[in-house]
Amino acid sequence: EPEVTQTPSHQVTQMGQEVILRCVPISNHLYFYWYRQILGQKVEFLVSFYNNEISEKSEIFDDQFSVERPDGSNFTLKIRSTKLEDSAMYFCASSNGVADTQYFGPGTRLTVL
Amino acid sequence: GEDVEQSLFLSVREGDSSVINCTYTDSSSTYLYWYKQEPGAGLQLLTYIFSNMDMKQDQRLTVLLNKKDKHLSLRIADTQTGDSAIYFCAESTDAGNNRKLIWGLGTSLAVNP
Repeated sequence: EPEVTQTPSHQVTQMGQEVILRCVPISNHLYFYWYRQILGQKVEFLVSFYNNEISEKSEIFDDQFSVERPDGSNFTLKIRSTKLEDSAMYFCASSNGVADTQYFGPGTRLTVL
Repeated sequence: GEDVEQSLFLSVREGDSSVINCTYTDSSSTYLYWYKQEPGAGLQLLTYIFSNMDMKQDQRLTVLLNKKDKHLSLRIADTQTGDSAIYFCAESTDAGNNRKLIWGLGTSLAVNP
């Protein structure tokens, strides 16, 4: 069964460093999402992406964040200058159509020291 | 704004039924979802219900939707120790080229032998 994959599973970085989180969505999916889950808090929507552009972004998704689909398979989330409060589990999701169910990857745990 | 609330903990005996409850505020919700998260794992879609339905059954899972009260429940029949996990309720609304999910905090289900 096709699945969403994410790498790395765990990323440790120093405050102020740039990180890139990678996702490979399900191959025929067209809609892509990033969410994050800070420990003990709700899963929060970050950004949605369709047709090579951002469809919607949350207040969290400020200028430090960017997304890209550099080729036909990868979908990346970049954080330019990480802060301590960026420490969280980051989930990528994809769906076939806008009204379709989102399928999630296993997540990348980002720890900012 | 949109909000989803769940009770945090539920403990049941193996073989009993579990009922996990969720309330939401957005009356324009079109889809309501249940996701499962096992320790250290990602978000696994369990089931979903469209807002024009009031019940959906899928093997041991029964979803009930009371749209008037904005109340969603997930019943797991014959609960097994392997059902121990965190169960997330999430809702989405129809919003053009975006269908972001709004999440509850999750209900931690403990199944005792």
